Amino acid sequence: NAGVIQTPRHKVTGKGQEATLWCEPISGHSAVFWYRQTIVQGLEFLTYFRNQAPIDDSGMPKERFSAQMPNQSHSTLKIQSTQPQDSAVYLCASSLEGYEQYFGPGTRLTVL
Amino acid sequence: GDSVTQTEGQVALSEEDFLTIHCNYSASGYPALFWYVQYPGEGPQFLFRASRDKEKGSSRGFEATYDKGTTSFHLRKASVQESDSAVYYCALVSSNMGYKLTFGTGTSLLVDP
Repeated sequence: NAGVIQTPRHKVTGKGQEATLWCEPISGHSAVFWYRQTIVQGLEFLTYFRNQAPIDDSGMPKERFSAQMPNQSHSTLKIQSTQPQDSAVYLCASSLEGYEQYFGPGTRLTVL
Repeated sequence: GDSVTQTEGQVALSEEDFLTIHCNYSASGYPALFWYVQYPGEGPQFLFRASRDKEKGSSRGFEATYDKGTTSFHLRKASVQESDSAVYYCALVSSNMGYKLTFGTGTSLLVDP
């Protein structure tokens, strides 16, 4: 079991560029979650999917952020027109039944 | 909205000391309560959970008891080791808000050998 895989591990973008972050959940897990971690805000929920369907996106900034889960083996988080305040570690987690979430190592996004 | 409060930002102990990290929550009903641990360069790891009043969760020598009366879920360990050095997060899942985790601010534990 490889655990949750996130790619890339590090990404540097210029202000205004687009960033796409990838997550491969643990095989067989039905729920996929995205969180953001910063020093100032800590760990914040962004969005989650169950059986590929979007369930709750209450934590997603309304503009520029979008998430998809086109199949059960991967999910993407896309940030358009990145801004310096988007710099953070973006964490993906998956879960078999919802409660016990297994986190990936995260993608560190740096916006210059 | 739901919230989790961890009062200690940093805790410094020596090996074999007793550990307590305080966690209080604010949520309606009976949220599920969790402890996660995060090591540098990794995502948070599930430690254990409790879902009912007076239920005790435990793992790797750590334990916490769900107390609805004091809305608390304090983490304790009788004898810490250097390898326990990490950041510990208390979290909750609201009983009526799906499965999203609401985290506390985290407590950094440093154990000197």
